[in-house]
Amino acid sequence: GQSLEQPSEVTAVEGAIVQINCTYQTSGFYGLSWYQQHDGGAPTFLSYNALDGLEETGRFSSFLSRSDSYGYLLLQELQMKDSASYFCAVLTARGQNFVFGPGTRLSVLP
Amino acid sequence: EAGVVQSPRYKIIEKKQPVAFWCNPISGHNTLYWYRQNLGQGPELLIRYENEEAVDDSQLPKDRFSAERLKGVDSTLKIQPAELGDSAVYLCASSFGGTSGSDTQYFGPGTRLTVL
Repeated sequence: GQSLEQPSEVTAVEGAIVQINCTYQTSGFYGLSWYQQHDGGAPTFLSYNALDGLEETGRFSSFLSRSDSYGYLLLQELQMKDSASYFCAVLTARGQNFVFGPGTRLSVLP
Repeated sequence: EAGVVQSPRYKIIEKKQPVAFWCNPISGHNTLYWYRQNLGQGPELLIRYENEEAVDDSQLPKDRFSAERLKGVDSTLKIQPAELGDSAVYLCASSFGGTSGSDTQYFGPGTRLTVL
């Protein structure tokens, strides 16, 4: 079976840094993606990690440790508009489908 | 460039009624996905198309759900008859395709289905 775990909710203040963790137990592993979804909106792609290490894109960074079956999304200089749900998704094999985690709801307070 | 288009955005029906959702992917995208997303959960794949071929429909409840992608472009997802438990957001996504793990999926706004 496939199992991904994320914290259900995270709260932080504007300007702060927050880390959203994702652990996975899947039949295979090829890569890890992160998506952002605002209430009532469509999921939008943030990042993809296939190799261990940190990938940085502006205020957002994503990290992967394949040996630990673990990854995280790091959001810096939080803004109110970052309030949304964040999903990790595992690609179990090349050419296969992504399995999504349950999502983490981030609330950014003024 | 237009994104993934879905219609309708909202649909309310009574149980046992049929319902259909339509999706127009981004031009040039060969792969099309239908997902179901329940409130507070992540998207769950229902079916994936490569051009007009359904390459993975293992999670599609085939007793009541059907899908088609004629000519490898637009796609329709149908439920007949709908049940109360089908209330959810139905998301369509598309990507260029291929076997690259970094093939980014672009999602449409979804259709929010309420079954009464």
